[in-house]
Amino acid sequence: EAQVTQNPRYLITVTGKKLTVTCSQNMNHEYMSWYRQDPGLGLRQIYYSMNVEVTDKGDVPEGYKVSRKEKRNFPLILESPSPNQTSLYFCASSTQGGTEAFFGQGTRLTVV
Amino acid sequence: GENVEQHPSTLSVQEGDSAVIKCTYSDSASNYFPWYKQELGKRPQLIIDIRSNVGEKKDQRIAVTLNKTAKHFSLHITETQPEDSAVYFCAASDAWNTGFQKLVFGTGTRLLVSP
Repeated sequence: EAQVTQNPRYLITVTGKKLTVTCSQNMNHEYMSWYRQDPGLGLRQIYYSMNVEVTDKGDVPEGYKVSRKEKRNFPLILESPSPNQTSLYFCASSTQGGTEAFFGQGTRLTVV
Repeated sequence: GENVEQHPSTLSVQEGDSAVIKCTYSDSASNYFPWYKQELGKRPQLIIDIRSNVGEKKDQRIAVTLNKTAKHFSLHITETQPEDSAVYFCAASDAWNTGFQKLVFGTGTRLLVSP
């Protein structure tokens, strides 16, 4: 089954404790991205990757890091999480030049 | 960069009525306009999209219209049903130019269809 898988689904952590949210897709998509969803603000892009070892900042990259060492994986790293990073995070993938973006099931992060 | 505005933020209709959600975009280079539906607790899923070379597209009860001159596009849902209740997001992209999806989303519309 074609899918984008994120882990974990739910995470509560403390300020400053490094964490990684994983994202994996099995559709051989070139393009992957991370979004955060906040009430009243919609989906805002954090980082995106056009292919292996090619990443770039989205609209809200501060406080986040990403890497793309393999085509299927695109982890999101929060080196020192802060409460303003409490949000619902979505990973998405699509083909190069493609149209539909396939979203993961989301990760609800709470930073206390 | 691109900026997408979406209205209204909430929309309540009676079952069987029509619903219209409107979006405007700022970048004239945008050429691909998808709509995503997000049910409560679920991931966003594509329901319909339109490219800049057409003015209207229809799929059963949903349709999208695009006015490139005015830089706005709209989602129309006819004969609404309770299962249409969800948050709807519009988005814009210049995918045809760049070859990949850098979607800029609107802020979402919460649609509530009452039986």
